[in-house]
Amino acid sequence: NAGVTQTPKFQVLKTGQSMTLQCAQDMNHNSMYWYRQDPGMGLRLIYYSASEGTTDKGEVPNGYNVSRLNKREFSLRLESAAPSQTSVYFCASRGQGAHGYTFGSGTRLTVV
Amino acid sequence: RKEVEQDPGPFNVPEGATVAFNCTYSNSASQSFFWYRQDCRKEPKLLMSVYSSGNEDGRFTAQLNRASQYISLLIRDSKLSDSATYLCVVNIGNDMRFGAGTRLTVKP
Repeated sequence: NAGVTQTPKFQVLKTGQSMTLQCAQDMNHNSMYWYRQDPGMGLRLIYYSASEGTTDKGEVPNGYNVSRLNKREFSLRLESAAPSQTSVYFCASRGQGAHGYTFGSGTRLTVV
Repeated sequence: RKEVEQDPGPFNVPEGATVAFNCTYSNSASQSFFWYRQDCRKEPKLLMSVYSSGNEDGRFTAQLNRASQYISLLIRDSKLSDSATYLCVVNIGNDMRFGAGTRLTVKP
């Protein structure tokens, strides 16, 4: 049982490049989330998907898009990367009635 | 004002010490509460939920005061392996809001 799997683990982008962060969960969870974590800021919600076919903006959605491809997969896309998007990105999922999130191991993204 | 505020620390304590972390939240509609643990360069992991009546899990005790919008975590008999960052988390509907974390280092 892998839980939540994120790829890639590390990425360096040049300003203006695009990329997609992949996330998949095998726990049959309805809700999936994308967070970014910056020093001193805590985790901030970028986008979430309460169920397959729905997505909603979180606290810091600008510069990002998401796709809930199916119940298992929730991807995060940076269309034109900026240095301000240098961060650690975590995907998480949560089952109905569950008492918290299960996180993926994170993606360390650097935009130069 | 941040929605979830924690003392960032760091807390440096000797093995065997008792240490307490505090957390305040601003949204009175908050429904559920958690403490997460995050090791350096790792993902956060659920440590324990926090219930109104207070709850204990081994050396860890969590308490919630809804009137004061305050959550605490007490760690007794600290171990070297308790060294980590502890995140206070507040759930509102579909959203969870995280504190920035309190860093704990337990020294021999």
